[in-house]
Amino acid sequence: KNEVEQSPQNLTAQEGEFITINCSYSVGISALHWLQQHPGGGIVSLFMLSSGKKKHGRLIATINIQEKHSSLHITASHPRDSAVYICAVRKGGGGSQGNLIFGKGTKLSVKP
Amino acid sequence: DSGVTQTPKHLITATGQRVTLRCSPRSGDLSVYWYQQSLDQGLQFLIQYYNGEERAKGNILERFSAQQFPDLHSELNLSSLELGDSALYFCASSVGGQINEKLFFGSGTQLSVL
Repeated sequence: KNEVEQSPQNLTAQEGEFITINCSYSVGISALHWLQQHPGGGIVSLFMLSSGKKKHGRLIATINIQEKHSSLHITASHPRDSAVYICAVRKGGGGSQGNLIFGKGTKLSVKP
Repeated sequence: DSGVTQTPKHLITATGQRVTLRCSPRSGDLSVYWYQQSLDQGLQFLIQYYNGEERAKGNILERFSAQQFPDLHSELNLSSLELGDSALYFCASSVGGQINEKLFFGSGTQLSVL
């Protein structure tokens, strides 16, 4: 079983819909990242969370440490949000900031 | 633009060969991280350098090595290449490698081993 699981694997939405992508992990963590990878391949870091909730524009990320679960929400989705969204965790107990365990990603397609 | 530069963008080579991938971090960033993204394994952390020194190792094969130079750019050397090494290789940088720092990713080098 993967230490980081994402759901759904694939998601198709209509423009304007509210979207939720889920991430569950089975290890103790010190931080959780949400990354966005566009079809061209480049990766952008959207959020880094260790507790609570963060918001940036139409994107909201939440984390529940006790339940080992995080969600990424996109409000008023737009075709330009089409990308693969990747959850990654940094294990607790010290170590490198970049030593992350990655989920398999959620491929989002937003139709106009 | 993340400010992290990777070259080359694409590399095609044959089995048994050796290649070098290059990464220039954002100005002022001391930490460089290397990742491999393959179709079967997804993204995996390979190695981190901080200010010229190796800081952490992940799932890096013995055939692979990296270094960070005094000007802070980094190179990932892949030798005795196998078909399974075909993947997208990313580097990322951060200011100092501390726990709450954001990572900035390059656009990747697509390696094809034929």
